[in-house]
Amino acid sequence: AQSVTQLGSHVSVSEGALVLLRCNYSSSVPPYLFWYVQYPNQGLQLLLKYTTGATLVKGINGFEAEFKKSETSFHLTKPSAHMSDAAEYFCAVSDPRGDYKLSFGAGTTVTVRA
Amino acid sequence: DAGITQSPRHKVTETGTPVTLRCHQTENHRYMYWYRQDPGHGLRLIHYSYGVKDTDKGEVSDGYSVSRSKTEDFLLTLESATSSQTSVYFCAISDGQGLNTEAFFGQGTRLTVV
Repeated sequence: AQSVTQLGSHVSVSEGALVLLRCNYSSSVPPYLFWYVQYPNQGLQLLLKYTTGATLVKGINGFEAEFKKSETSFHLTKPSAHMSDAAEYFCAVSDPRGDYKLSFGAGTTVTVRA
Repeated sequence: DAGITQSPRHKVTETGTPVTLRCHQTENHRYMYWYRQDPGHGLRLIHYSYGVKDTDKGEVSDGYSVSRSKTEDFLLTLESATSSQTSVYFCAISDGQGLNTEAFFGQGTRLTVV
């Protein structure tokens, strides 16, 4: 069984400041890891994923995340927040041996202050 | 955007009535999923399909059934709708070939059971 914990249901940052969203996972095998973003009244859009290889992965819109096996973490960062980053962000994990089913965290809502 | 269409996009129904939601894809992906999204819970898997007529339960399958008679269509049926099934429902698809492990999501169906 797999699970995901996202620390902080709401994060508020100033425009231009660092965005840091925390994600820790539990998995019995090396998982596949994902970050998705959801804008109001829309579906989920993939930001980035980790499957294998380099542990620092870069995604769209300037986001990146680092897989740290020893810490069972996959935190999402962006050096400089933009107003358009205001959205809800979901961390998700899947078992590579399975049918690519995703287990999601509860989500973190990001607010960007001008 | 991945070719995923959910219908209807909004529906209000009465307690005790059956409801069917439809997901249609044009990507010829093998895997299809139904998730529900509720505040504080992220997205939770209801049912999924790994091929035509091949389906399995997710973590919140009680009160729901699914069918997949063609690669492109995946139907979710609420057999007798209850107020606890008021939610936003998302269909997702995944290729599952090589490292194409990510899921692509539809725009969602907002269902209200009164």
